[in-house]
Amino acid sequence: GENVEQHPSTLSVQEGDSAVIKCTYSDSASNYFPWYKQELGKRPQLIIDIRSNVGEKKDQRIAVTLNKTAKHFSLHITETQPEDSAVYFCAATLGYNQGGKLIFGQGTELSVKP
Amino acid sequence: GAVVSQHPSWVICKSGTSVKIECRSLDFQATTMFWYRQFPKQSLMLMATSNEGSKATYEQGVEKDKFLINHASLTLSTLTVTSAHPEDSSFYICSARDFRDIQETQYFGPGTRLLVL
Repeated sequence: GENVEQHPSTLSVQEGDSAVIKCTYSDSASNYFPWYKQELGKRPQLIIDIRSNVGEKKDQRIAVTLNKTAKHFSLHITETQPEDSAVYFCAATLGYNQGGKLIFGQGTELSVKP
Repeated sequence: GAVVSQHPSWVICKSGTSVKIECRSLDFQATTMFWYRQFPKQSLMLMATSNEGSKATYEQGVEKDKFLINHASLTLSTLTVTSAHPEDSSFYICSARDFRDIQETQYFGPGTRLLVL
């Protein structure tokens, strides 16, 4: 089955710096890769996603890159702000025909220091 | 759009009792819903896939007789934790996918915090 590895587990940056979180997946059939932000005690919120037919996607300060050959994808947050502090999860799915199950990475606790 | 609700938001119960958690898609129809469990400082672990009108599919290691799932309509799935024990205390989160959406986007409910005494 699919396995998703996420690094680092914790990340501390100064406000205004960039943050990068990396994930690798095991199943080459995976074709959809969302990123979720979860604040303490709350639901995961989708912040950006990317499909296997795209190499990069950007939404304001957030970008995601995908390398299908190497089976890894990364989240990039630029100009970080204290409100970006949260736990971020990457995920991978085999897609609708495979039940659309999401397999999550272990999470990265991002702390942005003012 | 794409709002998912859960009820209750938290519950405290005695060991041995059963607890039912509801997951509703409020503004879309969901043929498939997913149930996750999250322990403190850990990731979301998929428990089962709930399919409208059919039996749920459980992940390896999840006891189907203990975690009963019913998906009787296109907007409601329920998870019943039977004979709950303290080790079942966790944050239970559901997600739903809009059946019209060919993408795989899942929308999460706010979660239910269960504490078994």
